[in-house]
Amino acid sequence: QVQLQESGPGLVKPSETLSLTCTVSGGSISGYYWSWIRQPPGKGLEYMGYIYYTGTTNYSPSLKSRLTFLVDTSKNQVSLKLNSVTAADTAVYFCGRGSYGDLRWGQGTLVTVSS
Amino acid sequence: QTVVTQEPALSVSPGGTVTLTCGLTSGSVSTSHYPSWYQQTPGQAPRTLIYSTNTRSSGVPDRFSGSILGNRAALTITGAQADDESDYYCMLYMGSGMNWVFGGGTKLTVL
Repeated sequence: QVQLQESGPGLVKPSETLSLTCTVSGGSISGYYWSWIRQPPGKGLEYMGYIYYTGTTNYSPSLKSRLTFLVDTSKNQVSLKLNSVTAADTAVYFCGRGSYGDLRWGQGTLVTVSS
Repeated sequence: QTVVTQEPALSVSPGGTVTLTCGLTSGSVSTSHYPSWYQQTPGQAPRTLIYSTNTRSSGVPDRFSGSILGNRAALTITGAQADDESDYYCMLYMGSGMNWVFGGGTKLTVL
């Protein structure tokens, strides 16, 4: 059974870069689309974008200028970097595997942006 | 900018049937939007229920079904149970430029 685990700093300072990793166990990175979704506290879900295992990416227009996804097949990991963060980027960040909306979700990790 | 819309809140009686819908502020939802539906309880990750309009994700009971109703996507829950009380989100594919977009979610109460 494939499992996804998000990890990274729980606290990031304003204007700095938020970096998260999604580690995949019980399955391979290869052959799949990997999505990132976030959810501000008490609010709804926001789709951030996806990366294919080959490295092809597609970012949400609202985040495109600040967002980078990477894939590391040797480590079975995908990663997210969001730069120039503000308090509005405080959220639970989820990674998900799948296509056409059939997502297998990680448990999520809370990132707070605060000085 | 086109927004994905959902009912903010709905209620259903135990054993009853309820339909949640997912629309667009401009235009109609079709199978080309590959509507998908997710269930989320507080503090938990979402769970995929339906994708590509009407395909149940692995392990999802058949009392959850998806369809297109008129100009909206729909999630129907038949024989509602207490543990169906959750937030439900739809997601639509808006094309390669806009990517995937979530609706604002529906809070379903079973009472």
